[in-house]
Amino acid sequence: KQEVTQIPAALSVPEGENLVLNCSFTDSAIYNLQWFRQDPGKGLTSLLLIQSSQREQTSGRLNASLDKSSGRSTLYIAASQPGDSATYLCAGVDDYKLSFGAGTTVTVRA
Amino acid sequence: DAGITQSPRHKVTETGTPVTLRCHQTENHRYMYWYRQDPGHGLRLIHYSYGVKDTDKGEVSDGYSVSRSKTEDFLLTLESATSSQTSVYFCAISVDRGEETQYFGPGTRLLVL
Repeated sequence: KQEVTQIPAALSVPEGENLVLNCSFTDSAIYNLQWFRQDPGKGLTSLLLIQSSQREQTSGRLNASLDKSSGRSTLYIAASQPGDSATYLCAGVDDYKLSFGAGTTVTVRA
Repeated sequence: DAGITQSPRHKVTETGTPVTLRCHQTENHRYMYWYRQDPGHGLRLIHYSYGVKDTDKGEVSDGYSVSRSKTEDFLLTLESATSSQTSVYFCAISVDRGEETQYFGPGTRLLVL
């Protein structure tokens, strides 16, 4: 069974600082790794998907890396803004099934 | 945003009553999923569907049943609701079973008294 861990559980940074969010998983035989954003009381919004054959994906200020051999993925958010405040979830995909981490709640202080 | 709606968005019910949650999609995606989200447990898969009338169990399927009679609709039924089923329920859809992202609906908040 895939176990996904996200550390830290919460993070508070001043505006403009770069964010580094960590995700670790136990089973390296994953199809892909996805990062989601969840705002309070809302559903999940897909941010990035990294295929198992890829090392990283980029979208605007977001960059996610994947190292299957070490069982780690990292989400980088450059030049954080107050609007980036949310909970960020990573999920390892094993065939059809998403295994989620508990998330990292980010607060960006203006 | 992917065209996914969930109904109802909020529901309060009593222990022992049946409850049905509906997920409707306009994307014609083959795969549909039901998750529940609870503090301390994160998101967990309840059931999923890989086509009309084709469903299978997920990680936490006990006490839940599903049906999919049309591509666009996926129903989750709590046959006899219990307080442990108080949760936020999310529906998700995807084109295939793993290579593309899953898109999530807005969620249904269910309170079982």
